[in-house]
Amino acid sequence: SAVISQKPSRDICQRGTSLTIQCQVDSQVTMMFWYRQQPGQSLTLIATANQGSEATYESGFVIDKFPISRPNLTFSTLTVSNMSPEDSSIYLCSASHLEAFFGQGTRLTVV
Amino acid sequence: AQSVTQLGSHVSVSEGALVLLRCNYSSSVPPYLFWYVQYPNQGLQLLLKYTTGATLVKGINGFEAEFKKSETSFHLTKPSAHMSDAAEYFCAVSGRSSASKIIFGSGTRLSIRP
Repeated sequence: SAVISQKPSRDICQRGTSLTIQCQVDSQVTMMFWYRQQPGQSLTLIATANQGSEATYESGFVIDKFPISRPNLTFSTLTVSNMSPEDSSIYLCSASHLEAFFGQGTRLTVV
Repeated sequence: AQSVTQLGSHVSVSEGALVLLRCNYSSSVPPYLFWYVQYPNQGLQLLLKYTTGATLVKGINGFEAEFKKSETSFHLTKPSAHMSDAAEYFCAVSGRSSASKIIFGSGTRLSIRP
């Protein structure tokens, strides 16, 4: 099994600022995924992060708004840029679908 | 393309009663199937998954699910509900390659009546 640590666990941010969320896995994984869970809703995939290449974004999500880094096989970051209240959500990272493990999430509130 | 449909956004059962949460999937390729649980203000926990082999999959906390290809279903059951089972449950599907993404259903909130 894989253990995934996400930081920060929660944050309150001012609109117009940016927040970078870190995701650390305790073993090497091929694929990492970033999801958004808006209040009372299911999980929506933002992008897939593969080490050594640019992230692949889902429809409705763009790199300028959600830049992702994947510098090695155990770490990834997601930045939420130029935040607005509509970005208030839980953001979760996941490591390699075959293991299907998730971090505890980052609860973001934009005021 | 893959998709998941969870029937019933809210299910309420009495403590000790059978729990049945329904999930149907659509996939053009043989899928992997998952059930996750999310307790209030917590992250996602994997309950069980089907990849290959036996179609009846047993998970944690007494839950199990059966993969029925002919019905494209992966319903979650538990013989006897406990108060601690109250949570949000998500069914999910993915393809079988390492690049496949997990697609989630809309979720079912399970309530347990004393």
